[in-house]
Amino acid sequence: KAGVTQTPRYLIKTRGQQVTLSCSPISGHRSVSWYQQTPGQGLQFLFEYFSETQRNKGNFPGRFSGRQFSNSRSEMNVSTLELGDSALYLCASSLNAEQYFGPGTRLTVT
Amino acid sequence: AQSVTQLGSHVSVSEGALVLLRCNYSSSVPPYLFWYVQYPNQGLQLLLKYTTGATLVKGINGFEAEFKKSETSFHLTKPSAHMSDAAEYFCAVSGQNYGQNFVFGPGTRLSVLP
Repeated sequence: KAGVTQTPRYLIKTRGQQVTLSCSPISGHRSVSWYQQTPGQGLQFLFEYFSETQRNKGNFPGRFSGRQFSNSRSEMNVSTLELGDSALYLCASSLNAEQYFGPGTRLTVT
Repeated sequence: AQSVTQLGSHVSVSEGALVLLRCNYSSSVPPYLFWYVQYPNQGLQLLLKYTTGATLVKGINGFEAEFKKSETSFHLTKPSAHMSDAAEYFCAVSGQNYGQNFVFGPGTRLSVLP
């Protein structure tokens, strides 16, 4: 089976812009979670989607949003980017309490 | 609520020496416990997991971990370190109810000295 894929792998944006990241889960996995990883804050949970519904949400501002499509692919969007949003964004798909991670999208905000 | 602490943000061992990475958790519900490894510029790879049953779990690359409920610990060990083990290791906890989100520890960077 193909693993979790994330696109794009690298992204550079300017403050105030918005960005959309994409995640394709492992075939058959219906749950997709998103995490933000930074050197200072570590891995922080953003949200989880299951069957197109947001099931869990972390403690992030409303600028961070996501959605899931009927084929389980997921997107996350960050609006009005801030310098502090520079991070590695990781997507994980899960089945039976195991999470499988993609390679991440490295977002740099200048 | 759940939380994870990992003692030591950086651990150095010599090649061939024992690897011991510590993880303690708190959870208000019976936990599922995980260890992940992350190599530079890559995502996280599952090393091993504890859900139910045997408390000593074996994972990939010769790693194992023991769930000790009385100590709320899930320490990761490997008898003999290899240079390729140098990476960042994360312990994580989730509830047993499907959909409860993972909580990750801050990570421990393992260096292996020749």
